[in-house]
Amino acid sequence: DGGITQSPKYLFRKEGQNVTLSCEQNLNHDAMYWYRQDPGQGLRLIYYSQIVNDFQKGDIAEGYSVSREKKESFPLTVTSAQKNPTAFYLCASSIGLAFSYEQYFGPGTRLTVT
Amino acid sequence: DAKTTQPPSMDCAEGRAANLPCNHSTISGNEYVYWYRQIHSQGPQYIIHGLKNNETNEMASLIITEDRKSSTLILPHATLRDTAVYYCIVRAFDNYGQNFVFGPGTRLSVLP
Repeated sequence: DGGITQSPKYLFRKEGQNVTLSCEQNLNHDAMYWYRQDPGQGLRLIYYSQIVNDFQKGDIAEGYSVSREKKESFPLTVTSAQKNPTAFYLCASSIGLAFSYEQYFGPGTRLTVT
Repeated sequence: DAKTTQPPSMDCAEGRAANLPCNHSTISGNEYVYWYRQIHSQGPQYIIHGLKNNETNEMASLIITEDRKSSTLILPHATLRDTAVYYCIVRAFDNYGQNFVFGPGTRLSVLP
């Protein structure tokens, strides 16, 4: 089964701790994305990556970091610098970076920081 | 970037067609219209996209007006599983990752 996996589904952390969210895809897609969704809101782009070892900031990159060491993996680290980290985080991938390609989304990770 | 306007919520009877409107009056010539939907607490699901011609796939039809200022997503025979938030997004082909924003969308409730 091809798709995107995100783990864990629910994550709880104490304020001041860094936390890394996993995203893996076996679709052989070049482009990957991280979005954040707050209650009742749409999605906002955090980071995106076109190819291995390359990534770009989205609209709300402050307080986040990513890496793309492998084509199939695009982990997101929520650092202690992120002022309001509690949110639903979604990873997506697409064949190519141009938005005319459909994006496939993972099931999401709900992060709660207290 | 072109902005979109959608009604916040709609109801539809099960088995009937659901017609979800979207206004995008400032759309540019190179911008596509995309529709995604999101079932509660899951990742968004791509539905369909188009430039200026009407499009149809196994999930839905997309009707774009001739002036491209508005469009309608049609779910021909809505089922309870189609209850979700539907997002209309307008994006340029070469807009590489900047300002990807899904707005609040339309919450469609399919009623038995």
